[in-house]
Amino acid sequence: AQKITQTQPGMFVQEKEAVTLDCTYDTSDPSYGLFWYKQPSSGEMIFLIYQGSYDQQNATEGRYSLNFQKARKSANLVISASQLGDSAMYFCAMREGGGSNYKLTFGKGTLLTVNP
Amino acid sequence: KAGVTQTPRYLIKTRGQQVTLSCSPISGHRSVSWYQQTPGQGLQFLFEYFSETQRNKGNFPGRFSGRQFSNSRSEMNVSTLELGDSALYLCASSLSFPSSYNSPLHFGNGTRLTVT
Repeated sequence: AQKITQTQPGMFVQEKEAVTLDCTYDTSDPSYGLFWYKQPSSGEMIFLIYQGSYDQQNATEGRYSLNFQKARKSANLVISASQLGDSAMYFCAMREGGGSNYKLTFGKGTLLTVNP
Repeated sequence: KAGVTQTPRYLIKTRGQQVTLSCSPISGHRSVSWYQQTPGQGLQFLFEYFSETQRNKGNFPGRFSGRQFSNSRSEMNVSTLELGDSALYLCASSLSFPSSYNSPLHFGNGTRLTVT
């Protein structure tokens, strides 16, 4: 079973508008971390935001916020005031706390295109 | 502070050859992980090193190996290259001691390997 599901292969948004990128996850581990990364065409994976399973409040980092709904196992990324430079692939990822393997498990990604 | 540095950026090899990729983590980071990214399989975990010891390994054949040096720099080696090894290889480092589920990974620009 997929541990991270991103159901939107591609999304379009107008510059200056907000956009939500969906992510659902599957784990039975009570301790886990959820991450969002941005990958421009250059290839570098840029860390954007983190949400821990025990965090009571949704994470925010500048124009990025994470809509964390634990009961629904969703961790959607919200980008406010989109900019042309936000056009990139966005990956949702999870690290589980159980055991000793803290590898990042990634979703398939969402390609975001910001139109002028 | 310099980010994760990967060299070379691009490599072209022929089937049967071997290749070595290099990664220098962020200063002070002691955990280094490697990931393979392909269009078909997405991002997959290769292995993680901490204090010169391999801590975790993904589901890859023994042709894929790595090591970490005392200065935390890491190398990844792929022997007897196959066409399917063509991919973007991403290295990531983590500050946490040791790497844990709530610690973000910081990635480099990657090495794009093409096997012909």
